[in-house]
Amino acid sequence: EVQLVESGGGLVKPGGSLRLSCAASGFTFSDAWMSWVRQTPGKGLEWVGRVRSKTGGGTTDYAAPVKGRFTVSRDDSKNMLYLQMNSLRTEDTAIYYCASFYHSWGQGTLVTVSS
Amino acid sequence: DIVMTQAPLTLSVTPGQPASISCKSSQSLLSGGGKTYLFWYLQRPGQSPQPLMYEVSSRVSGVPDRFSGSGSGTDFTLKISRVEAEDVGVYYCMQGSHVPLTFGGGTKVEIK
Repeated sequence: EVQLVESGGGLVKPGGSLRLSCAASGFTFSDAWMSWVRQTPGKGLEWVGRVRSKTGGGTTDYAAPVKGRFTVSRDDSKNMLYLQMNSLRTEDTAIYYCASFYHSWGQGTLVTVSS
Repeated sequence: DIVMTQAPLTLSVTPGQPASISCKSSQSLLSGGGKTYLFWYLQRPGQSPQPLMYEVSSRVSGVPDRFSGSGSGTDFTLKISRVEAEDVGVYYCMQGSHVPLTFGGGTKVEIK
């Protein structure tokens, strides 16, 4: 069974940092291009960024609102995906999902940025 | 950025009847490699989105064959041949052909 399990969400002050993790199982993680997607009631689903598989180059892409502040990375030896979020803003408040678009999405982890 | 427009916003369907959701993109989703990266997801109440279809018309493993996808270029459709109670939720299309990846606004499917 394909499973993606996020962790690391929580409450953080504006300007702070947070690192999300996603544990993957049930599929060949090293072959998958992996993404982070966030969801807010007001803005719906918003793609945050992705990392390609090593065979796909291992490079990353980001949405404009997070570029330069967020970093997506992966550890294929541990089947783990990460999202390092720096310089957080109130508008980054959302549920964050890790996703393999061909397989599954995780259950999400809530990030709240507030003073 | 590519804008994905879904219609209708809400669909109220009698069990056993068909349903159809439209998704239009502001640019062609045909990639240079010849593939069209158009996906469909279903978000049931209280759950995360889960994949239904990939590359327009391929069903994800485990998805019932009453779901089908079609289309090309900028116009795409998800069809449910006979709606069941478990099909309620919000359906989203997503394009993966161009960065940034973008989602439609969602279509809420309800049972009459």
